[in-house]
Amino acid sequence: GNSVTQMEGPVTLSEEAFLTINCTYTATGYPSLFWYVQYPGEGLQLLLKATKADDKGSNKGFEATYRKETTSFHLEKGSVQVSDSAVYFCALSDGGSQGNLIFGKGTKLSVKP
Amino acid sequence: EAQVTQNPRYLITVTGKKLTVTCSQNMNHEYMSWYRQDPGLGLRQIYYSMNVEVTDKGDVPEGYKVSRKEKRNFPLILESPSPNQTSLYFCASSPRATYQETQYFGPGTRLLVL
Repeated sequence: GNSVTQMEGPVTLSEEAFLTINCTYTATGYPSLFWYVQYPGEGLQLLLKATKADDKGSNKGFEATYRKETTSFHLEKGSVQVSDSAVYFCALSDGGSQGNLIFGKGTKLSVKP
Repeated sequence: EAQVTQNPRYLITVTGKKLTVTCSQNMNHEYMSWYRQDPGLGLRQIYYSMNVEVTDKGDVPEGYKVSRKEKRNFPLILESPSPNQTSLYFCASSPRATYQETQYFGPGTRLLVL
């Protein structure tokens, strides 16, 4: 079945450090890929998405490229801020009628000043 | 403001006492869904609804019921809660149930079943 695997956390970085959170997926067909972010005490909100191979999603300085050949969608940011501290979820939607998002387990990021 | 709202945000209850968690969206979305979030497991879909009067099971539907009598509302019903339903619950909606659509999440309901 479809699945998403993302790197285990927690990840602790200093402000202005480079961030990579790895995400790989298993899916039939051509899924859409998403990164959602959950700030403390809040619901999930979309960070970025890509709907076809080689698409790059970007938002708030974060980027991720849909790599079909490596079945990956790694999240990157060149310079993190304390306000980026949150839990990040990689997810895929496989196009079935269920409209289901398959989530990874989440990666908690803490950024220290 | 476009949003998904859930009530209550926090709930402590006892085993077997029926409860309902409400979910409402003001974006005229056709698709609505419920997820539960558990440590180490991520989010898993409980039930979903493609449109009014159309609902179906997700990946973990046991012990839950839903209804979709109006487009904007999608309540989650636990008729006889058990401790293994202690979790953080999220309602979500999207314009349609296509794989490219973004889902918009509510703020979550933290449930503790004693």
